[in-house]
Amino acid sequence: QSALTQPPSASGSPGQSVTISCTGTSSDVGGYNYVSWYQQHPGKAPKLMIYEVSKRPSGVPDRFSGSKSGNTASLTVSGLQAEDEADYYCSSYAGSNNLGVFGTGTKVTVL
Amino acid sequence: EVQLVQSGAEVKKPGESLKISCKGSGYSFTSYWIGWVRQMPGKGLEWMGIIYPGDSDTRYSPSFQGQVTISADKSISTAYLQWSSLKASDTAMYYCARLIADTAFHWGQGTLVTVSS
Repeated sequence: QSALTQPPSASGSPGQSVTISCTGTSSDVGGYNYVSWYQQHPGKAPKLMIYEVSKRPSGVPDRFSGSKSGNTASLTVSGLQAEDEADYYCSSYAGSNNLGVFGTGTKVTVL
Repeated sequence: EVQLVQSGAEVKKPGESLKISCKGSGYSFTSYWIGWVRQMPGKGLEWMGIIYPGDSDTRYSPSFQGQVTISADKSISTAYLQWSSLKASDTAMYYCARLIADTAFHWGQGTLVTVSS
């Protein structure tokens, strides 16, 4: 499988919103409601922020939200804060005979 | 509390073998898939393979099939990732993660593997 496509970078000022896209195919993103999003700060392990397209694990602020339309999923971070500056990766289920597939990653900068 | 604790950083020479570990605690180790993820320096995340410790069912990404071996010892709640002959291109951070419905809910802290002559 090919990696899902994300923009290399995104940015916003504190308090603004930023939206990151994650484009796949009908064999992964478009075919299942199993898209997740991970946040990774430099030198740290990834952290789950969104699962099953739009669900938030316990402890993740509601400033983080997810959605999907067709073969493209999106992560929106509202009310940007300095600690949101990190790399973000999407991931999607790709069928029972395949492992999941990650996105290419997006670096979010808080200006 | 669910925890995944990985073994420490390794420095190896090309051609050497290596086995790194991931010990789970705080949950039923045999009931959840464990996945291994590679992150090469400055690069993104890649799924390598997954294992179900309950019956050792293992699946590999095509890119890693034949290059690594994933195993688990349920008696000590530990999953492993091993190489029989390391290459410089295996230099990377390796993470294990506990999966629920193909989602990595919990991650280990990572094991840095450096392969250099």
